[in-house]
Amino acid sequence: QKEVEQDPGPLSVPEGAIVSLNCTYSNSAFQYFMWYRQYSRKGPELLMYTYSSGNKEDGRFTAQVDKSSKYISLFIRDSQPSDSATYLCAMRAAAGNKLTFGGGTRVLVKP
Amino acid sequence: GAVVSQHPSWVICKSGTSVKIECRSLDFQATTMFWYRQFPKQSLMLMATSNEGSKATYEQGVEKDKFLINHASLTLSTLTVTSAHPEDSSFYICSAETGTNTGELFFGEGSRLTVL
Repeated sequence: QKEVEQDPGPLSVPEGAIVSLNCTYSNSAFQYFMWYRQYSRKGPELLMYTYSSGNKEDGRFTAQVDKSSKYISLFIRDSQPSDSATYLCAMRAAAGNKLTFGGGTRVLVKP
Repeated sequence: GAVVSQHPSWVICKSGTSVKIECRSLDFQATTMFWYRQFPKQSLMLMATSNEGSKATYEQGVEKDKFLINHASLTLSTLTVTSAHPEDSSFYICSAETGTNTGELFFGEGSRLTVL
């Protein structure tokens, strides 16, 4: 079993819909949680960063962390075709440690 | 967010030659940088962790003599693929730690290597 599980998709939604992404993990030591967006042939772009449990909102993006369930989520409101990309969750136990990535979810927002 | 720049963004070389890829943190000092490799439609695979002024720590299965990593300054790390072969063709991406102990990591744009 992988340390971080993420549905590979593809997840197809109509423009304007809410995109819901999630990851589960097994290592209770993880404290830093990140969501990255990666377009084809580009490096990952940091979207959201959360330390420990709780919610965080930034524009159209909301990240949630539930450490008791070892479950993290990313919601994208009012999705746009430009949101079509692969979304990667990543986490680590401490600053300076290596990141453990989920496999990525491919999202397609249709006009 | 912080900016990490990689150069070159793509390179084509002949089998047996060596290729150097640079990773620079443009607006911050990076005490730690990470090098990843990514195959099509797959997630990132960590190759090594690079700390400024010390030897890189390589992941299991990564040949340290083939993938030479140098982190000589707080803003520059380099990955040299020595005696490249077609199976080394891949997308190489670096990331840098901001050093503020926040846990945030920023990635470069990636470098696509094609070995003929």
